[in-house]
Amino acid sequence: KNQVEQSPQSLIILEGKNCTLQCNYTVSPFSNLRWYKQDTGRGPVSLTIMTFSENTKSNGRYTATLDADTKQSSLHITASQLSDSASYICVVSASWRKNAGNMLTFGGGTRLMVKP
Amino acid sequence: DVKVTQSSRYLVKRTGEKVFLECVQDMDHENMFWYRQDPGLGLRLIYFSYDVKMKEKGDIPEGYSVSREKKERFSLILESASTNQTSMYLCASSLGVTFLSTYEQYFGPGTRLTVT
Repeated sequence: KNQVEQSPQSLIILEGKNCTLQCNYTVSPFSNLRWYKQDTGRGPVSLTIMTFSENTKSNGRYTATLDADTKQSSLHITASQLSDSASYICVVSASWRKNAGNMLTFGGGTRLMVKP
Repeated sequence: DVKVTQSSRYLVKRTGEKVFLECVQDMDHENMFWYRQDPGLGLRLIYFSYDVKMKEKGDIPEGYSVSREKKERFSLILESASTNQTSMYLCASSLGVTFLSTYEQYFGPGTRLTVT
């Protein structure tokens, strides 16, 4: 069964500090991996998309890494800001599913709180 | 910028009522999706539409139906609302769904539905 597990479930850090969020997946055959940021009461917004051949991708203070061999990804946030407080969702896409609409498997998310 | 809008941010309905959730996108995307999001469970796909009048069931279609009469509009219908359908409902759209696809999914702001 395709699964995406994220850790930790929640995290509290002080403003200015760095943090790393983890994502492990069993989705097969793998197509791409996405990280989304979801503010409270809002829809998810894409941060990065990585394909099999990419092992790192940055978007400002967000850097995602992908190890397709171990089926792990991480999202590193540098110099955190109060506005980084949100849920971060890892989403893995399969390159084939019987039902095309189900190609995405969502993780449960990590809830990050940045405190002043 | 892609814009996905949902008809209501908050909705309160009684058990047994018929509920309509509307979603509109302005980027001429072929594909539209309805998800529900519950704490600890992540996003789960209810229905998916890849063209006008075309639809496919997602992971949890029971108790729901959908309608896509126009390309830009995708409606989710709860035929007879029940308390276990209390949830956050998210609509999304994307340009395409293909093998090895990196097409972005753009999410609406969500509708928080409470069924009493």
